[in-house]
Amino acid sequence: AQTVTQSQPEMSVQEAETVTLSCTYDTSESDYYLFWYKQPPSRQMILVIRQEAYKQQNATENRFSVNFQKAAKSFSLKISDSQLGDAAMYFCAYRSAFDFGNEKLTFGTGTRLTIIP
Amino acid sequence: IAGITQAPTSQILAAGRRMTLRCTQDMRHNAMYWYRQDLGLGLRLIHYSNTAGTTGKGEVPDGYSVSRANTDDFPLTLASAVPSQTSVYFCASSAAQGYGYTFGSGTRLTVV
Repeated sequence: AQTVTQSQPEMSVQEAETVTLSCTYDTSESDYYLFWYKQPPSRQMILVIRQEAYKQQNATENRFSVNFQKAAKSFSLKISDSQLGDAAMYFCAYRSAFDFGNEKLTFGTGTRLTIIP
Repeated sequence: IAGITQAPTSQILAAGRRMTLRCTQDMRHNAMYWYRQDLGLGLRLIHYSNTAGTTGKGEVPDGYSVSRANTDDFPLTLASAVPSQTSVYFCASSAAQGYGYTFGSGTRLTVV
């Protein structure tokens, strides 16, 4: 079974600075998808960014980018120019590419990000 | 607005009572899921359904049951609630392979 590990329960960053959240995963599969979700105090789960394992290019969405290291099984999230609205719990998630018709996601335990004004 | 509707938003339930959490989507997604979120444990899969008429067990299915009579609805039932089922419950659906989930806004359940 796949596992996802987020080793930083809490992180903080000064507003306008850059912060990196770490995520590692364990799998024997060659193809899969990785995700970062944001959960603000409203409780809503919001997809931040998605990476396909067979693509070497790191995904980018505006101020959010990932550092995907397939050999190391590492998938970190970089947030540039941090804003107060970035304060949230961030979850890393894994999905196999082989479970056709079954999109089960395996989540990490989350990292709570605080933005310091 | 297309999405997932969960009800109730929150509930306090006496131990031993039966409770059904409702989940409805209007996106015609085939796959639907129920997760529970607990501090320090992240989100854990309770049950899932790949398509109407089929269901499967996730990581933590004990004490819960689901049904999928049609594409849109995926209710989660606690037959006899226990305090360890105090949690935030999320319903989610998926459109296609690899595109992640659309989540409902969650139900906060407290069993006393």
